[in-house]
Amino acid sequence: GENVEQHPSTLSVQEGDSAVIKCTYSDSASNYFPWYKQELGKRPQLIIDIRSNVGEKKDQRIAVTLNKTAKHFSLHITETQPEDSAVYFCAASNPLKSTLTFGKGTMLLVSP
Amino acid sequence: DGGITQSPKYLFRKEGQNVTLSCEQNLNHDAMYWYRQDPGQGLRLIYYSQIVNDFQKGDIAEGYSVSREKKESFPLTVTSAQKNPTAFYLCASSIIQGGSFNTGELFFGEGSRLTVL
Repeated sequence: GENVEQHPSTLSVQEGDSAVIKCTYSDSASNYFPWYKQELGKRPQLIIDIRSNVGEKKDQRIAVTLNKTAKHFSLHITETQPEDSAVYFCAASNPLKSTLTFGKGTMLLVSP
Repeated sequence: DGGITQSPKYLFRKEGQNVTLSCEQNLNHDAMYWYRQDPGQGLRLIYYSQIVNDFQKGDIAEGYSVSREKKESFPLTVTSAQKNPTAFYLCASSIIQGGSFNTGELFFGEGSRLTVL
């Protein structure tokens, strides 16, 4: 089955810096890669996703890149703000299954 | 107010007791899921269902059971056979997309925290 590795497990940055979280996946058939943000005590929410027919997607300060050959994808957050502090989960899914396999999460702390 | 509702938010159970967590959605989603969240372990899939009266095991189904008698409801029972039941449980729902991309956005409930005493 699919295995998703996520790094780093914790990340501390200063406000205004950029943050990058990386994930690798094992199943070459996977074609959908979402990112979820979970603030403390709240439910996970989708912040951005990418499908295998594109290599990059941006939405304001966040972007995701996908390298299908290397089977890895990354989340980039620019100009970080304290409200970006949360746990971020990457996930992968292939078209033969209707489920997501999640990485173990990255706790991002943005200090003012 | 559309969404997905889990109850109870907190639950305490004695060892050897079964407990059922409720999950209801009014989003008209076909698919529903149960995940378990432990610190440092991410979200692990317990069971999922794509249609009424049908469900499939996820990665960690042992010691759990589910039912899907109605489209809106997907309760999870944590049985006494589950060795480490203390955890945070998240229910989610999604549409089922056609074509080559099966998975839609997951909408999560607020979670139920189960503690076994």
